[in-house]
Amino acid sequence: EAQVTQNPRYLITVTGKKLTVTCSQNMNHEYMSWYRQDPGLGLRQIYYSMNVEVTDKGDVPEGYKVSRKEKRNFPLILESPSPNQTSLYFCASSLFSSGSRYNEQFFGPGTRLTVL
Amino acid sequence: GESVGLHLPTLSVQEGDNSIINCAYSNSASDYFIWYKQESGKGPQFIIDIRSNMDKRQGQRVTVLLNKTVKHLSLQIAATQPGDSAVYFCAENRGGATNKLIFGTGTLLAVQP
Repeated sequence: EAQVTQNPRYLITVTGKKLTVTCSQNMNHEYMSWYRQDPGLGLRQIYYSMNVEVTDKGDVPEGYKVSRKEKRNFPLILESPSPNQTSLYFCASSLFSSGSRYNEQFFGPGTRLTVL
Repeated sequence: GESVGLHLPTLSVQEGDNSIINCAYSNSASDYFIWYKQESGKGPQFIIDIRSNMDKRQGQRVTVLLNKTVKHLSLQIAATQPGDSAVYFCAENRGGATNKLIFGTGTLLAVQP
């Protein structure tokens, strides 16, 4: 089954304790992205990656890191989480090339993060 | 449960009626638009898309209308069913090399039996 998977689905942690949320897709997509979703603010892009070893900042990158060492994986790293990073996080992927970007983004099931 | 439905505009319809969900976009350079459905506890799910060279596109029970003059999108759902209850987002792709989607804040569709 074609899908985007995220782990963990739920996480409660404390301020300052480093954490990683994993994201994996099995569709051989070049493009991957992380979003956070907050009430009243909708989905906002954190980081994205156009392909392996190519990443760039989205709209709200502060406090986050990403890496793209393999095509299928795009982990989101919070080096020192703070309470304002409490949110619902989504990973997404799409088939993308400079010649054809009219492709939907497929979303993972989400990770609910609470930072105390 | 998910809190994504809080603070959102809500459209309440009777089962079997048609639903129309509206969305305004801001950038006249956007040339690709997508409607997503988000059910409680799940990620956004693709419903239908439309490119700016079209005014209307139809899928199964859904129709998207695009009015570029006033920068407005609408999603019409025919014969709304309880399973259609969800938050609906429109997203615009503003072009360029980044494939970036800009999402609206969403509309909560509540289907009354």
